[in-house]
Amino acid sequence: DADVTQTPRNRITKTGKRIMLECSQTKGHDRMYWYRQDPGLGLRLIYYSFDVKDINKGEISDGYSVSRQAQAKFSLSLESAIPNQTALYFCATSDLRDRDTGELFFGEGSRLTVL
Amino acid sequence: SQQGEEDPQALSIQEGENATMNCSYKTSINNLQWYRQNSGRGLVHLILIRSNEREKHSGRLRVTLDTSKKSSSLLITASRAADTASYFCATDPGEGAQKLVFGQGTRLTINP
Repeated sequence: DADVTQTPRNRITKTGKRIMLECSQTKGHDRMYWYRQDPGLGLRLIYYSFDVKDINKGEISDGYSVSRQAQAKFSLSLESAIPNQTALYFCATSDLRDRDTGELFFGEGSRLTVL
Repeated sequence: SQQGEEDPQALSIQEGENATMNCSYKTSINNLQWYRQNSGRGLVHLILIRSNEREKHSGRLRVTLDTSKKSSSLLITASRAADTASYFCATDPGEGAQKLVFGQGTRLTINP
C-alpha cells in the first residue's frame, strides 16, 4: 500500500460544485502539504499544515480551503469549483525531524477537471 | 511566483549518453533538491544538496550547486530508457517550514 494515498485519483465536475480531495498517510509525518501542478508551471503550494492545529496558506490559497482531521489526514476543498482550477493536485508529507534536510513524499496525485 | 527556472524545458538524447539539466533560482536557500516525475505520477525525491555543499553524487546522478550564481545542475550519466521522465529542482528557503518551491521542470526523453 502507498504511504501517501490520495482520493479520488480522477474527478470531473461542473462549475460551481463543491469538491473535496482527500489525503491520508501512513508515514507518521507531522507535516502535510497540498500542491497544484499545471503544465509548464511546475508545482505551486496551496496550503500546508505542521500539525492538527496548525494550518498555513501557501502561494495560491485563494479559492481553496483545507482541513486537518487527524495527523494522518489532510483534505483540500474547492467550495465552488471553477474551470481554471482544472489541474493535477498533489498531497505531500515531510518529517519534522528532517526540517533542515528533509524531502517531501508525494502521493500519486488527483486529476481534477472542472467543466 | 516560481523560484526555479529550469533549462532546457525538454531534452531528447540517445540511450547511453549523458543528460544535463540546469536550474537557476532567485533567493537564498538552505538546500536544493531534485525530484523525478514519471508521466502523470507523483514526484519522487532523487537527491538533496545543502547550501554549503558544491557537489554530490548518488549512483548515476551528479548534482552541483553554485550559490554565487544561484544555479544547480543535475547530470545523469549513461542514460537508460527508464530515465525518461520530468525532472524538477526544488529550493528550500530554510525557514524550517520545508516549503519547497519548484521549477517548471525538464522533460527528458531517452531514445533507445
